[in-house]
Amino acid sequence: GESVGLHLPTLSVQEGDNSIINCAYSNSASDYFIWYKQESGKGPQFIIDIRSNMDKRQGQRVTVLLNKTVKHLSLQIAATQPGDSAVYFCAEIDNAGNMLTFGGGTRLMVKP
Amino acid sequence: GAGVSQTPSNKVTEKGKYVELRCDPISGHTALYWYRQSLGQGPEFLIYFQGTGAADDSGLPNDRFFAVRPEGSVSTLKIQRTERGDSAVYLCASSPTGAYYGYTFGSGTRLTVV
Repeated sequence: GESVGLHLPTLSVQEGDNSIINCAYSNSASDYFIWYKQESGKGPQFIIDIRSNMDKRQGQRVTVLLNKTVKHLSLQIAATQPGDSAVYFCAEIDNAGNMLTFGGGTRLMVKP
Repeated sequence: GAGVSQTPSNKVTEKGKYVELRCDPISGHTALYWYRQSLGQGPEFLIYFQGTGAADDSGLPNDRFFAVRPEGSVSTLKIQRTERGDSAVYLCASSPTGAYYGYTFGSGTRLTVV
């Protein structure tokens, strides 16, 4: 399948360490954000979302932080595993709530 | 089916030819989206359907691109007079309504124009 992310920023971490992936968004009026994970040859897969009335949301091993002042999102992955290796995208919703705009993505590489 | 199905998974065509890419969304999902993803980039919005109608086609790059969803289920993205710059992965996604809570993507069609 297609290999995405050949020219993307890359974060390389050791298995078991925590990972932090950052994203800047553009629409200050956006009230909903999502992190997606994309493995090679596959479509993006939903990981976690957050509404703009929250600063933090936790899932299983993942946490999303939202800083509306500087229009910044981060995705934290605890105890990173080899299966976490992928390209990660943040996405923001449009003002009508109809569609998502994606950021440029970060490739996460987990070293065993 | 359980997920969003896209066919073909790979398509190689000659410059100037016409291609059709098919998307079979999750049953019952009224919203359907087409995105294009170039190497090393995030998905780029093309068109959004709500039911049978194109609610937003502002992302279609030019009039060579057209998409239909005649019965509110399967959608076809059509590209006329293909150019080498059209080479990309074309992703389809569906959701029960709009974009809140995200959409489910298919695995994409890799289009290569030679």
